[in-house]
Amino acid sequence: AQTVTQSQPEMSVQEAETVTLSCTYDTSENNYYLFWYKQPPSRQMILVIRQEAYKQQNATENRFSVNFQKAAKSFSLKISDSQLGDTAMYFCAFMRTAGGTSYGKLTFGQGTILTVHP
Amino acid sequence: DTGVSQNPRHKITKRGQNVTFRCDPISEHNRLYWYRQTLGQGPEFLTYFQNEAQLEKSRLLSDRFSAERPKGSFSTLEIQRTEQGDSAMYLCASSLLNYGYTFGSGTRLTVV
Repeated sequence: AQTVTQSQPEMSVQEAETVTLSCTYDTSENNYYLFWYKQPPSRQMILVIRQEAYKQQNATENRFSVNFQKAAKSFSLKISDSQLGDTAMYFCAFMRTAGGTSYGKLTFGQGTILTVHP
Repeated sequence: DTGVSQNPRHKITKRGQNVTFRCDPISEHNRLYWYRQTLGQGPEFLTYFQNEAQLEKSRLLSDRFSAERPKGSFSTLEIQRTEQGDSAMYLCASSLLNYGYTFGSGTRLTVV
């Protein structure tokens, strides 16, 4: 079974600054995807960024980037130039795959509440 | 298509009553998932369908819970004899065969 651990229950950052959210996972699988999802208060979960385990290059989406360390089973999210709209709960998640097809189920971490202060 | 739709948004029920939630996925998505999220926690997987076939069920899904996706389109999640511990947000999501989930806004259940 896979486990995902987010050790930072809450983080805060000043607007325009950079913040890093941590995530570690445990799996015996070699093929998988990792995700960061954002859940604003009372709003639906949306995908922030995705990383395929077979790719050594870290994924980047505009102000969001990851530091994927496969051997260490670590997957942190860096948010640059933080904006007030980034305030949300952030979840790290794991999905097993095989032959390019996912097994469907996401395993989530406990989440990190991020507050961006003006 | 406006995304994944869940109804109702909120449900308050008395302990022991049955409740049913509905999820309408994105029309071209063949996979549909149900998750449960308690306050301040990450979502926990309950079950998922590929077309009309239920491919996996979590052990969290006790015999009081049943999910269906009769024609491979919308899905229903029924909870029988509700308990206070069932109070949670129930999330539905859909995807194509690979990744790329789209989540709905959820149904918040309160059992009193």
